[in-house]
Amino acid sequence: GAVVSQHPSRVICKSGTSVKIECRSLDFQATTMFWYRQFPKQSLMLMATSNEGSKATYEQGVEKDKFLINHASLTLSTLTVTSAHPEDSSFYICSASDGTRSSNTIYFGEGSWLTVV
Amino acid sequence: GQNIDQPTEMTATEGAIVQINCTYQTSGFNGLFWYQQHAGEAPTFLSYNVLDGLEEKGRFSSFLSRSKGYSYLLLKELQMKDSASYLCALDNYGQNFVFGPGTRLSVLP
Repeated sequence: GAVVSQHPSRVICKSGTSVKIECRSLDFQATTMFWYRQFPKQSLMLMATSNEGSKATYEQGVEKDKFLINHASLTLSTLTVTSAHPEDSSFYICSASDGTRSSNTIYFGEGSWLTVV
Repeated sequence: GQNIDQPTEMTATEGAIVQINCTYQTSGFNGLFWYQQHAGEAPTFLSYNVLDGLEEKGRFSSFLSRSKGYSYLLLKELQMKDSASYLCALDNYGQNFVFGPGTRLSVLP
């Protein structure tokens, strides 16, 4: 079964509104979570790295004021897309690590389809 | 910085063997992942190479050569369900992944 749960799987929002996506580790403590964005027929692009209890580290070109990331606990990270625009429509996916740096301890969520209309 | 390259698309026949290449330039990395991703779904872990050489897992094998900056994923006995995108990714010492552009594989009957 899934060890990282992402919610919602699909969301449609109006332009100018904000939408929150949750990423939960179900049976382990995720010291680090990663947020990716994927446009159709393209690869995953890392947006930010979030460590529990500290500010997220954003990749170059990603607006931190637009994509708010909160990692308030060891099992939950949230991505809030603020003032969403149609160009923000994309597949957003998180991954979580328990910090052991093993190939078997990095898990992806199911992904969230965001459509901004 | 890091740069990863993969062929954009490949086509193969059911039952055949296909090799998907991944070349990269990087100053250092811990290991190299291969993921399978069906459209609209999360990536699925296939393999992880740390040392040079071939890692075999059933119908899937992955090879890494650090000196050549090269990896490949070998898929044998292709099945229709293997039609998907295949992503190689560099593991930056557990800090983050850098994904390649992905290769869309189409398996034809």
